[in-house]
Amino acid sequence: EPEVTQTPSHQVTQMGQEVILRCVPISNHLYFYWYRQILGQKVEFLVSFYNNEISEKSEIFDDQFSVERPDGSNFTLKIRSTKLEDSAMYFCASIHPATPPAYGYTFGSGTRLTVV
Amino acid sequence: GDSVTQMEGPVTLSEEAFLTINCTYTATGYPSLFWYVQYPGEGLQLLLKATKADDKGSNKGFEATYRKETTSFHLEKGSVQVSDSAVYFCALSGGSGGGADGLTFGKGTHLIIQP
Repeated sequence: EPEVTQTPSHQVTQMGQEVILRCVPISNHLYFYWYRQILGQKVEFLVSFYNNEISEKSEIFDDQFSVERPDGSNFTLKIRSTKLEDSAMYFCASIHPATPPAYGYTFGSGTRLTVV
Repeated sequence: GDSVTQMEGPVTLSEEAFLTINCTYTATGYPSLFWYVQYPGEGLQLLLKATKADDKGSNKGFEATYRKETTSFHLEKGSVQVSDSAVYFCALSGGSGGGADGLTFGKGTHLIIQP
């Protein structure tokens, strides 16, 4: 069964450093998402991406965050200057354009980001 | 905005016990409702869904019924197994909290099944 692949599974970075989280969505999917889950809290929507541009973003997704699809297969989330509060599990998800959102998304296994 | 509230964990049960994980929601419009499951070391997997009131989603022995009158989507299973140990997330889409087409999640409930 096709999978959404995220790398790395765990990343430790120093506060103030830039970090890039990588995702390879399912090849024929066209809608892409990033979510995060701070330990012990709910999974929160960050951003959705379609047709090479952001379609919607949450209040969390401020100027420190950016997304891109640099080569038609990878979908990346960049945090420019990490803060301690960015420590969380980050999930990538994708969905086929012909699949209504009501039928569910395919998620990756997540990247645990630890900012020290 | 939209929100999902589910019971706090961890929930610890013995094998073959009956499971209920409560989930209630607040949303505008007519959202679709989901249960996702995350097994250790894996991603979020769709367990079941319901797209309109009174629909019952079911999969792998789990069931949940979309109750509009009580704004609930409680997850149930008649006889749990050790392999059901995981974190369960209630979620909705079609509301305003997860972007136009994104999901709004609850905090997740960690289920531990003991042999």
